[in-house]
Amino acid sequence: DIQMTQSPSSLSASVGDRVTITCRASHDIHTYLAWYQQKPGNGPKLLIYAASALQPGVPSRFSGSGSGTDFTLTISSLQPEDVATYYCQKYITAFAFGPGTKVDIK
Amino acid sequence: QLVQSGAEVKKPGESLKISCQGSGYSFTTYWIAWVRQMPGKGLEWMGTIYPDDSDTEYSPSFQGQVTISADKSINTAYLQWTSLKASDTAMFYCARLKRDPTGSGPDYYYMDVWGKGTTVTVSS
Repeated sequence: DIQMTQSPSSLSASVGDRVTITCRASHDIHTYLAWYQQKPGNGPKLLIYAASALQPGVPSRFSGSGSGTDFTLTISSLQPEDVATYYCQKYITAFAFGPGTKVDIK
Repeated sequence: QLVQSGAEVKKPGESLKISCQGSGYSFTTYWIAWVRQMPGKGLEWMGTIYPDDSDTEYSPSFQGQVTISADKSINTAYLQWTSLKASDTAMFYCARLKRDPTGSGPDYYYMDVWGKGTTVTVSS
């Protein structure tokens, strides 16, 4: 089975900061990777698919990159409404989520 | 959108069936996935169903523990248990699967639309 890891597990940053979250797959998943945002008390929301394709309606401050085993989600300028837990997910063959990264405002 | 049934409180050993109704799109032509989130924990894929023919795939972790079904006449997918345990206490989400258009090989799908979730509490 392909395992997904994320780092850091949590971070605290100031409004306007650039934030980067890393996701790693235990085997090559090409670009079959999605990123989801889950705000407290809500269900997940798709941000990025195919590693770097922005889901329509998602603010352009969110971006994704990577291929193979190493991926990143970047928030170019952190906003208060971005407080959430972010999950990566591989969707090649079967689905598996990373453990999540909790983002707070400093 | 995907509309999920309301919160449930059950006792150990009881059965349960929760639902997820799709609207605003062709329900029968998109796979539906179920995802579990235990209290304070992350997301776990449970299984998927293709409502048109009820073709189903389960995560090995949930095979035999739950049953996923669908009634395409009412655009609804279901997740059911025959004998609940306290460890089944969780939030359950359904999600629509969309084909990744960028791939050049086999079709792979990501979860593009999610329901708001159904809370299941199992307690004596």
